Amino acid sequence: GAVVSQHPSRVICKSGTSVKIECRSLDFQATTMFWYRQFPKQSLMLMATSNEGSKATYEQGVEKDKFLINHASLTLSTLTVTSAHPEDSSFYICSARDERSSYNSPLHFGNGTRLTVT
Amino acid sequence: AQKVTQAQTEISVVEKEDVTLDCVYETRDTTYYLFWYKQPPSGELVFLIRRNSFDEQNEISGRYSWNFQKSTSSFNFTITASQVVDSAVYFCALSEGDYNTDKLIFGTGTRLQVFP
Repeated sequence: GAVVSQHPSRVICKSGTSVKIECRSLDFQATTMFWYRQFPKQSLMLMATSNEGSKATYEQGVEKDKFLINHASLTLSTLTVTSAHPEDSSFYICSARDERSSYNSPLHFGNGTRLTVT
Repeated sequence: AQKVTQAQTEISVVEKEDVTLDCVYETRDTTYYLFWYKQPPSGELVFLIRRNSFDEQNEISGRYSWNFQKSTSSFNFTITASQVVDSAVYFCALSEGDYNTDKLIFGTGTRLQVFP
Protein backbone atom coordinates (compact mmCIF):
# COMPACT_ATOMS: atom_id res chain seq x y z
CA GLY A 1 0.00 0.00 0.00
CA ALA A 2 0.90 3.66 -0.13
CA VAL A 3 3.69 4.60 2.25
CA VAL A 4 5.25 7.85 3.31
CA SER A 5 8.86 7.68 4.39
CA GLN A 6 10.36 10.35 6.62
CA HIS A 7 14.04 10.78 7.35
CA PRO A 8 15.72 11.10 9.76
CA SER A 9 13.58 9.65 12.49
CA ARG A 10 15.59 11.36 15.17
CA VAL A 11 18.10 14.20 15.09
CA ILE A 12 20.00 16.13 17.70
CA CYS A 13 21.67 19.35 16.70
CA LYS A 14 23.34 22.30 18.29
CA SER A 15 21.66 25.64 18.60
CA GLY A 16 22.26 27.80 15.55
CA THR A 17 22.61 24.98 13.06
CA SER A 18 20.14 23.98 10.34
CA VAL A 19 18.42 20.65 10.01
CA LYS A 20 16.79 19.16 6.94
CA ILE A 21 13.96 16.66 7.18
CA GLU A 22 12.85 14.66 4.15
CA CYS A 23 9.40 13.34 3.37
CA ARG A 24 9.08 10.89 0.52
CA SER A 25 6.03 9.27 -0.97
CA LEU A 26 6.87 5.71 -1.94
CA ASP A 27 5.10 4.14 -4.90
CA PHE A 28 2.89 7.15 -5.49
CA GLN A 29 3.09 10.78 -6.47
CA ALA A 30 1.88 13.63 -4.34
CA THR A 31 1.56 17.18 -5.64
CA THR A 32 0.67 18.26 -2.15
CA MET A 33 2.21 17.26 1.14
CA PHE A 34 1.60 18.64 4.61
CA TRP A 35 3.93 19.36 7.48
CA TYR A 36 2.76 19.16 11.07
CA ARG A 37 4.42 19.87 14.37
CA GLN A 38 3.66 18.19 17.66
CA PHE A 39 4.95 19.34 21.01
CA PRO A 40 5.20 16.72 23.77
CA LYS A 41 1.79 15.44 24.84
CA GLN A 42 0.05 17.92 22.60
CA SER A 43 -1.87 17.78 19.38
CA LEU A 44 -0.57 18.08 15.86
CA MET A 45 -0.59 21.56 14.43
CA LEU A 46 -0.44 22.14 10.71
CA MET A 47 2.59 24.23 9.80
CA ALA A 48 2.41 24.43 6.05
CA THR A 49 1.19 22.93 2.83
CA SER A 50 3.96 21.91 0.49
CA ASN A 51 3.11 22.34 -3.18
CA GLU A 52 5.14 20.65 -5.89
CA GLY A 53 6.78 23.20 -8.17
CA SER A 54 5.54 26.24 -6.28
CA LYS A 55 5.85 28.01 -2.98
CA ALA A 56 4.60 26.45 0.19
CA THR A 57 1.57 27.85 1.94
CA TYR A 58 2.25 28.58 5.59
CA GLU A 59 -0.25 28.66 8.41
CA GLN A 60 -0.64 31.79 10.46
CA GLY A 61 2.13 32.23 12.97
CA VAL A 62 4.63 29.96 11.21
CA GLU A 63 7.84 31.72 10.21
CA LYS A 64 8.51 31.15 6.53
CA ASP A 65 12.17 32.05 6.79
CA LYS A 66 12.73 29.71 9.66
CA PHE A 67 10.93 26.69 8.28
CA LEU A 68 11.96 26.40 4.65
CA ILE A 69 9.93 23.99 2.57
CA ASN A 70 10.97 22.69 -0.82
CA HIS A 71 8.82 20.36 -2.88
CA ALA A 72 11.10 19.81 -5.84
CA SER A 73 9.57 16.61 -7.15
CA LEU A 74 6.32 14.72 -7.00
CA THR A 75 7.72 12.33 -4.43
CA LEU A 76 9.84 14.51 -2.18
CA SER A 77 9.24 17.43 0.14
CA THR A 78 11.86 18.76 2.52
CA LEU A 79 11.54 20.87 5.63
CA THR A 80 14.62 22.76 6.75
CA VAL A 81 14.66 24.23 10.22
CA THR A 82 17.12 27.07 9.92
CA SER A 83 19.18 28.42 12.80
CA ALA A 84 17.50 26.01 15.15
CA HIS A 85 16.94 26.92 18.77
CA PRO A 86 15.89 24.78 21.74
CA GLU A 87 12.29 25.98 21.38
CA ASP A 88 12.22 24.35 17.95
CA SER A 89 12.64 20.97 19.59
CA SER A 90 9.54 19.06 18.60
CA PHE A 91 8.13 16.13 16.66
CA TYR A 92 7.73 16.97 12.98
CA ILE A 93 5.55 14.78 10.81
CA CYS A 94 4.54 14.95 7.18
CA SER A 95 1.55 13.57 5.32
CA ALA A 96 0.55 12.83 1.75
CA ARG A 97 -2.17 11.02 -0.15
CA ASP A 98 -2.01 8.90 -3.23
CA GLU A 99 -3.96 11.16 -5.55
CA ARG A 100 -4.68 8.36 -7.97
CA SER A 101 -6.90 6.67 -5.42
CA SER A 102 -10.44 7.58 -4.46
CA TYR A 103 -11.32 10.63 -2.40
CA ASN A 104 -11.98 8.34 0.51
CA SER A 105 -8.48 6.94 0.48
CA PRO A 106 -6.53 7.47 3.66
CA LEU A 107 -4.06 10.25 4.21
CA HIS A 108 -0.72 8.66 5.00
CA PHE A 109 1.65 10.04 7.55
CA GLY A 110 5.37 9.57 7.80
CA ASN A 111 6.83 8.12 10.98
CA GLY A 112 7.86 11.55 12.16
CA THR A 113 11.16 13.19 13.06
CA ARG A 114 12.01 13.98 16.63
CA LEU A 115 14.21 17.06 16.66
CA THR A 116 16.18 17.99 19.75
CA VAL A 117 18.13 21.22 19.74
CA THR A 118 20.74 21.55 22.45
CA ALA B 1 -13.99 28.48 12.22
CA GLN B 2 -13.32 24.79 12.38
CA LYS B 3 -12.48 23.12 15.63
CA VAL B 4 -12.24 19.63 17.04
CA THR B 5 -12.75 18.95 20.73
CA GLN B 6 -11.72 15.80 22.51
CA ALA B 7 -12.77 16.46 26.06
CA GLN B 8 -11.25 13.31 27.49
CA THR B 9 -7.56 13.85 28.07
CA GLU B 10 -6.82 10.41 29.47
CA ILE B 11 -8.81 7.25 29.92
CA SER B 12 -7.72 4.13 31.77
CA VAL B 13 -9.51 0.83 31.44
CA VAL B 14 -8.84 -2.78 32.22
CA GLU B 15 -8.51 -5.26 29.41
CA LYS B 16 -11.77 -6.49 27.90
CA GLU B 17 -13.66 -3.40 28.92
CA ASP B 18 -15.42 -1.37 26.25
CA VAL B 19 -14.33 2.24 25.92
CA THR B 20 -15.73 5.19 23.98
CA LEU B 21 -13.63 8.13 22.91
CA ASP B 22 -15.60 11.30 22.33
CA CYS B 23 -15.11 13.78 19.51
CA VAL B 24 -17.11 16.94 18.91
CA TYR B 25 -16.44 19.15 15.92
CA GLU B 26 -17.35 22.60 14.70
CA THR B 27 -17.53 23.67 11.10
CA ARG B 28 -19.54 26.01 8.89
CA ASP B 29 -19.10 23.88 5.80
CA THR B 30 -21.72 21.43 4.66
CA THR B 31 -19.04 19.27 3.09
CA TYR B 32 -16.37 18.04 5.42
CA TYR B 33 -14.48 14.92 6.42
CA LEU B 34 -13.83 13.38 9.79
CA PHE B 35 -10.96 11.13 10.73
CA TRP B 36 -9.60 9.06 13.56
CA TYR B 37 -5.91 8.32 13.91
CA LYS B 38 -4.03 6.22 16.43
CA GLN B 39 -0.59 7.29 17.66
CA PRO B 40 1.22 4.53 19.55
CA PRO B 41 4.26 5.35 21.71
CA SER B 42 6.52 4.99 18.69
CA GLY B 43 5.00 8.15 17.29
CA GLU B 44 3.66 7.22 13.88
CA LEU B 45 0.07 8.05 13.01
CA VAL B 46 -2.04 5.10 12.05
CA PHE B 47 -5.10 5.82 9.94
CA LEU B 48 -8.29 4.31 11.33
CA ILE B 49 -11.19 5.85 9.45
CA ARG B 50 -12.26 8.67 7.14
CA ARG B 51 -15.92 9.62 6.92
CA ASN B 52 -17.54 12.31 4.80
CA SER B 53 -20.33 14.55 6.01
CA PHE B 54 -22.94 13.00 3.76
CA ASP B 55 -22.50 9.53 5.12
CA GLU B 56 -23.98 9.20 8.58
CA GLN B 57 -23.98 5.46 8.64
CA ASN B 58 -22.21 4.03 11.59
CA GLU B 59 -19.27 1.84 10.82
CA ILE B 60 -17.85 -1.24 12.43
CA SER B 61 -14.43 -2.71 11.78
CA GLY B 62 -13.61 -5.60 14.03
CA ARG B 63 -13.51 -4.34 17.60
CA TYR B 64 -13.73 -0.73 16.41
CA SER B 65 -16.93 1.15 15.75
CA TRP B 66 -17.76 4.74 14.99
CA ASN B 67 -20.93 6.69 15.68
CA PHE B 68 -21.38 9.76 13.52
CA GLN B 69 -24.21 12.08 14.51
CA LYS B 70 -24.53 15.35 12.64
CA SER B 71 -27.30 16.52 14.95
CA THR B 72 -24.83 16.71 17.82
CA SER B 73 -21.70 17.27 15.68
CA SER B 74 -20.12 14.23 17.17
CA PHE B 75 -18.00 11.41 15.79
CA ASN B 76 -17.38 9.04 18.66
CA PHE B 77 -15.12 6.02 18.57
CA THR B 78 -15.75 2.84 20.54
CA ILE B 79 -13.32 0.03 21.16
CA THR B 80 -15.00 -3.17 22.23
CA ALA B 81 -13.19 -5.67 24.45
CA SER B 82 -10.13 -3.46 24.72
CA GLN B 83 -6.65 -4.94 24.62
CA VAL B 84 -3.31 -3.77 25.94
CA VAL B 85 -2.18 -3.13 22.36
CA ASP B 86 -4.91 -0.53 22.07
CA SER B 87 -2.95 1.71 24.42
CA ALA B 88 -2.11 4.84 22.46
CA VAL B 89 -3.14 8.41 21.89
CA TYR B 90 -6.14 8.70 19.62
CA PHE B 91 -6.75 11.80 17.56
CA CYS B 92 -9.96 12.92 15.94
CA ALA B 93 -9.51 15.29 13.00
CA LEU B 94 -11.55 17.38 10.57
CA SER B 95 -11.02 18.68 7.08
CA GLU B 96 -13.36 20.96 5.22
CA GLY B 97 -14.67 21.70 1.78
CA ASP B 98 -14.48 20.10 -1.59
CA TYR B 99 -10.87 21.01 -2.16
CA ASN B 100 -7.74 20.57 -0.12
CA THR B 101 -9.50 18.02 2.00
CA ASP B 102 -6.20 16.66 3.17
CA LYS B 103 -5.53 19.66 5.40
CA LEU B 104 -6.43 18.33 8.81
CA ILE B 105 -7.42 20.09 12.00
CA PHE B 106 -6.67 17.78 14.92
CA GLY B 107 -8.25 17.52 18.31
CA THR B 108 -6.02 17.48 21.35
CA GLY B 109 -6.08 13.72 21.54
CA THR B 110 -7.18 11.19 24.13
CA ARG B 111 -4.57 9.02 25.78
CA LEU B 112 -5.95 5.54 26.30
CA GLN B 113 -4.25 3.17 28.70
CA VAL B 114 -5.43 -0.41 28.79
CA PHE B 115 -4.18 -2.37 31.75
CA PRO B 116 -3.93 -6.16 31.79
